[in-house]
Amino acid sequence: DAGITQSPRHKVTETGTPVTLRCHQTENHRYMYWYRQDPGHGLRLIHYSYGVKDTDKGEVSDGYSVSRSKTEDFLLTLESATSSQTSVYFCAISGWLGEDEQFFGPGTRLTVL
Amino acid sequence: TQLLEQSPQFLSIQEGENLTVYCNSSSVFSSLQWYRQEPGEGPVLLVTVVTGGEVKKLKRLTFQFGDARKDSSLHITAAQPGDTGLYLCAGPGPSEKLVFGKGTKLTVNP
Repeated sequence: DAGITQSPRHKVTETGTPVTLRCHQTENHRYMYWYRQDPGHGLRLIHYSYGVKDTDKGEVSDGYSVSRSKTEDFLLTLESATSSQTSVYFCAISGWLGEDEQFFGPGTRLTVL
Repeated sequence: TQLLEQSPQFLSIQEGENLTVYCNSSSVFSSLQWYRQEPGEGPVLLVTVVTGGEVKKLKRLTFQFGDARKDSSLHITAAQPGDTGLYLCAGPGPSEKLVFGKGTKLTVNP
């Protein structure tokens, strides 16, 4: 299994509070991704990174920011959480874009009350 | 926007039955991937198909990529409870980022 962990695994927070989710990899892969998974919508890309301090927006980036200060860590921040951001968040890594296999973390279940 | 439509959305069958799930698009994809996701876990890659008409087999699972590279199918022979999960297809979309279908949720009852 690819060495990819997410923390926390579960979080309950209140509307308006900041939340940071962490993804850590031990594979030295260049690309890292944050997805959210919701019933009826499947997996949707929030942001991705193609190197240290190099990030770009995905399909559903509004309300989210990311940072990557080290190859192994990719942080997702909800500056002011809303109930619509209740979801399961997955981090993924890959060696390159396109048809390369993506390895997924175990997910973080976030509930915003 | 390149979209991947998966059908059926839900499928519940008995152990030992055969099944086929589909992944369709109006766009051409350079390749398609199939992932399986078990409850409480992240998706795991099963196979990548890259050539139109390609057929790949993984034990009881057979994957086919359409000749025009717009569709793919996954056939499972003699399904087992361990096959239960969400099956996702994905392909490189704009800027080479993966686009995922919404998945087929398969339940195999003992």
